[in-house]
Amino acid sequence: RKEVEQDPGPFNVPEGATVAFNCTYSNSASQSFFWYRQDCRKEPKLLMSVYSSGNEDGRFTAQLNRASQYISLLIRDSKLSDSATYLCVVLDSGNTGKLIFGQGTTLQVKP
Amino acid sequence: NAGVTQTPKFQVLKTGQSMTLQCAQDMNHNSMYWYRQDPGMGLRLIYYSASEGTTDKGEVPNGYNVSRLNKREFSLRLESAAPSQTSVYFCASSEAWDRTLTYEQYFGPGTRLTVT
Repeated sequence: RKEVEQDPGPFNVPEGATVAFNCTYSNSASQSFFWYRQDCRKEPKLLMSVYSSGNEDGRFTAQLNRASQYISLLIRDSKLSDSATYLCVVLDSGNTGKLIFGQGTTLQVKP
Repeated sequence: NAGVTQTPKFQVLKTGQSMTLQCAQDMNHNSMYWYRQDPGMGLRLIYYSASEGTTDKGEVPNGYNVSRLNKREFSLRLESAAPSQTSVYFCASSEAWDRTLTYEQYFGPGTRLTVT
């Protein structure tokens, strides 16, 4: 089983739609979680950190469910510019300081 | 600020050839990283340098060597390239490295390497 798993998609949604991605992680001791965004053939960039209480940044909401070991990202009122691959990232629980990346979920927002 | 820069952007090698991928950052970051990204897989850490003067293996170090030349520069060397090393290579840097915290990693634009 992969340490961080995501549905690769693609998720095809119309502009204005609400879309949610889930990501599961295998190590229950993991403590820190993030969502990175990667545009086609470009470098990943941090979108948001995921706090235990959940956090919101404009149209984006990230939530953590420790009991079920998944992280979610909700995007409201999707824009064409949201089209990208969203990478779920978990800090390695083995005190190595390393990040473990999921393979990414691709979102295509259509006009 | 250019952020993180990488050279070259593209490279084609024949099996057995060697090359060095260059990475530099101008953000005065202490920590630097090399990742590879393959289709259907997440980014995988090859090597990292928590601070100037130190380097450590990541998840997939075999076939690679690194040098932290100074605080700004971190190079990745393929001594004898193999087709399995065809990939996109990303360099990244962060303010610091800590076992229990994490700092945002800033990525370079990547090097697309093909080994034939």
